[in-house]
Amino acid sequence: DAMVIQNPRYQVTQFGKPVTLSCSQTLNHNVMYWYQQKSSQAPKLLFHYYDKDFNNEADTPDNFQSRRPNTSFCFLDIRSPGLGDAAMYLCATSRDVVGGAYEQYFGPGTRLTVT
Amino acid sequence: TQLLEQSPQFLSIQEGENLTVYCNSSSVFSSLQWYRQEPGEGPVLLVTVVTGGEVKKLKRLTFQFGDARKDSSLHITAAQPGDTGLYLCAGALVDSNYQLIWGAGTKLIIKP
Repeated sequence: DAMVIQNPRYQVTQFGKPVTLSCSQTLNHNVMYWYQQKSSQAPKLLFHYYDKDFNNEADTPDNFQSRRPNTSFCFLDIRSPGLGDAAMYLCATSRDVVGGAYEQYFGPGTRLTVT
Repeated sequence: TQLLEQSPQFLSIQEGENLTVYCNSSSVFSSLQWYRQEPGEGPVLLVTVVTGGEVKKLKRLTFQFGDARKDSSLHITAAQPGDTGLYLCAGALVDSNYQLIWGAGTKLIIKP
């Protein structure tokens, strides 16, 4: 089945220790998103890619970086995690269709704990 | 700032009761989507509405898109414990750059 996969599902890192979260998709969607979600709140968009075109949200901290080496994979790098970065990180994809609704397909998320 | 106001933020009811969740905005959306998210999982798309006045049904769930495409509602009839979760509305603006405007979410608990 076509899907969005995130690894790992749970990640524990130390304060200030760089961490990388990964996302892969078999949907062949050209748009990929990274969201941060804290306790039953709405997902907060960090950045998104249209193909290789990177779009950063204005309020996304510099501490967060992303890479998309090809259509299928996307990575979220947190250079120096702080306690406030503990959250669920969600990867999503959508298909670019003229007049499209940008319906998003989410992975299961990675729960990041910072100790 | 484009906002999508979702209410209520929290709802706890007994099995068998009916409920309605609302999303309202002053902005016009080309489409609006509803997602359900269970604890520890990513949101799952339930429905997309695109036409003003549109009504879609998914078993006991009824979704409406306002005539002016500024608001939407989700009505659940005879709620079941399996309906428990976080319900999120999200809208695509007419000039959207592949992004969605998200409501704050409604945490729904259905007690047996």
